[in-house]
Amino acid sequence: AQSVTQLGSHVSVSEGALVLLRCNYSSSVPPYLFWYVQYPNQGLQLLLKYTSAATLVKGINGFEAEFKKSETSFHLTKPSAHMSDAAEYFCAVRGDNAGGTSYGKLTFGQGTILTVHP
Amino acid sequence: GAGVSQSPSNKVTEKGKDVELRCDPISGHTALYWYRQSLGQGLEFLIYFQGNSAPDKSGLPSDRFSAERTGGSVSTLTIQRTQQEDSAVYLCASSLATNEQFFGPGTRLTVL
Repeated sequence: AQSVTQLGSHVSVSEGALVLLRCNYSSSVPPYLFWYVQYPNQGLQLLLKYTSAATLVKGINGFEAEFKKSETSFHLTKPSAHMSDAAEYFCAVRGDNAGGTSYGKLTFGQGTILTVHP
Repeated sequence: GAGVSQSPSNKVTEKGKDVELRCDPISGHTALYWYRQSLGQGLEFLIYFQGNSAPDKSGLPSDRFSAERTGGSVSTLTIQRTQQEDSAVYLCASSLATNEQFFGPGTRLTVL
């Protein structure tokens, strides 16, 4: 079984400051990990994904995340926040049980609302 | 269209009524997923289709919930005898095999 914990339901930063959103996962198999962003009244948009290639993953809008197996973490960062980054961010894990029925299903964290102050 | 579409975008219904929510996946995507997003429960998986088959229905909360997919394309999620706790945003996603999932804008269901 897989699970995801996002530390901090709300994060507030100033424009231009570092953004750090934390995600820890639990998985019985090597995980595929994702970060999605959701703007108000919209669906989820993929920011980036880790699929067992490079541990440092670069995504859209200047975001990146580093997979650390020893810490079971996949934290999302952006060096300089922009007002347009204000949204809710979800970390998710996909459990790839070869031949299993849960293949492809995403398990999400509870989400982190990012507020950016001018 | 280029993306996943869902209809209706908003649905208000009375307790006890049945509702149908529709999802049009990206053309050619073989996998289709339904998720539910609610304040108390966050984002929850409901059901997964591969083609027209549903190998994983483990997230359906009760037997009032059912879903089907026809022609390997459009999917309908049906909720019978709706209850107030069914109020949520229902999100559909599709993908090629089990690669990246693309999400639709969701259907906001309100049960009065």
